[in-house]
Amino acid sequence: DAGITQSPRHKVTETGTPVTLRCHQTENHRYMYWYRQDPGHGLRLIHYSYGVKDTDKGEVSDGYSVSRSKTEDFLLTLESATSSQTSVYFCAIRPDRDADTQYFGPGTRLTVL
Amino acid sequence: KDQVFQPSTVASSEGAVVEIFCNHSVSNAYNFFWYLHFPGCAPRLLVKGSKPSQQGRYNMTYERFSSSLLILQVREADAAVYYCVCTSGTYKYIFGTGTRLKVLA
Repeated sequence: DAGITQSPRHKVTETGTPVTLRCHQTENHRYMYWYRQDPGHGLRLIHYSYGVKDTDKGEVSDGYSVSRSKTEDFLLTLESATSSQTSVYFCAIRPDRDADTQYFGPGTRLTVL
Repeated sequence: KDQVFQPSTVASSEGAVVEIFCNHSVSNAYNFFWYLHFPGCAPRLLVKGSKPSQQGRYNMTYERFSSSLLILQVREADAAVYYCVCTSGTYKYIFGTGTRLKVLA
């Protein structure tokens, strides 16, 4: 257990509404990541963070923004959700003591109608 | 484009050794990871490395552009999706599309 929680675990929303997903870790690791998982694509990186207020884009960042105002929380926001953002979203951390390994949260299933 | 390739499905009989192969086109890749994923759960790291490695029933082979995950004494409970991942930097982890393992009784 890497001490990672995600909330909510499930969400159904309508097109055009804003949505924020939260990733929380208990061990103050610097690196945090957001991925989306879709059939036929595996996991694809949306954004990542390497410290408080330090974030950067991943492969599929369009339509998403992130914020990290505290070490333990990494927020993913869909400003105006679209049906193409229906997916399962995973948060991951990379421990400082284990320089190259990622550990994942349980995921959030988001459905945009 | 950096990509990791793995078969979509592999089938095995219970008690057998199953091999899941992956290869990649990731520039400057130096490490492989193999994750196990049950739907609704967090992907779980099985084995990793830049050389052949073993963790319990899981063996990993390593070549410069490919890796295989070997699962010994396959059980019905091993039926899941297995991801091959390459890394080439502090943030760059390239996932394969996942291999669904089917276990035949």
